[in-house]
Amino acid sequence: DGGITQSPKYLFRKEGQNVTLSCEQNLNHDAMYWYRQDPGQGLRLIYYSQIVNDFQKGDIAEGYSVSREKKESFPLTVTSAQKNPTAFYLCLTSGGLGRNEQFFGPGTRLTVL
Amino acid sequence: AQTVTQSQPEMSVQEAETVTLSCTYDTSESDYYLFWYKQPPSRQMILVIRQEAYKQQNATENRFSVNFQKAAKSFSLKISDSQLGDAAMYFCAYRSPYNNNDMRFGAGTRLTVKP
Repeated sequence: DGGITQSPKYLFRKEGQNVTLSCEQNLNHDAMYWYRQDPGQGLRLIYYSQIVNDFQKGDIAEGYSVSREKKESFPLTVTSAQKNPTAFYLCLTSGGLGRNEQFFGPGTRLTVL
Repeated sequence: AQTVTQSQPEMSVQEAETVTLSCTYDTSESDYYLFWYKQPPSRQMILVIRQEAYKQQNATENRFSVNFQKAAKSFSLKISDSQLGDAAMYFCAYRSPYNNNDMRFGAGTRLTVKP
C-alpha cells in the first residue's frame, strides 16, 4: 500500500531460531513502526523509529530487536527470547507534510513450528 | 498512554441496511487524529476514514461517515447501504501529533454482511 513492502509474506521458524522480517519503503517517510496482531486483539506496538539511527521500544519490545541504518528500511528481528512469536506482523510508515501520510505494508505471517 | 475501546466484538447487518460501529478512547490531549481501518481477509489494512480532533464537522467518505463527539470521547463509524464487500474487521485508531506519533488501536469489530 503506497510504496511500502514487507517480506516474506509467510515465514516459518523453528523454536530457538532468530528470524528477520523486512520492511522497505520508497515514500521518503521519516517514521516507521512495527506492530504485532494476534487473533481477537488489535495491533500492539513493538518498536518505532522517528529518524535514521534512532529507535525506541514500544509496548511489547521484549524478544524483538530492530535497526534503522537507512531511511528506507526498518527490519525486525524476532529472537529466540520471544516466547510466543506466532502472529501477524505489520509495518507502518508515517511522513509527508505534517506527517499526515501513513501507510501499512501488507504484513508478514510468522509461524513457529 | 491513550487507550481505544471497541465494545462490539462482532456485528452483523443486512445488505443495503445501515450499521454503526462504536469506538471510545481515553486521552488528556486536545489535538489528535482518529481513524477507522478496514481489514478484509487479505489482512491488508485499508484506511476508511480519518478525523482531525480540531475539526467540528464529521468526516464523510461516500457511504462511510463518523459521529465524532469530542467531549464524550466517542468516534463511531456509520456504514450506509451496506455491501457484501464491507464484511471485514474494523479497527478504530488514535494518533497523537505529539510524542511518538504512534497509533493506538482498539481490539476490532468483526462485521458480517448478510445477503
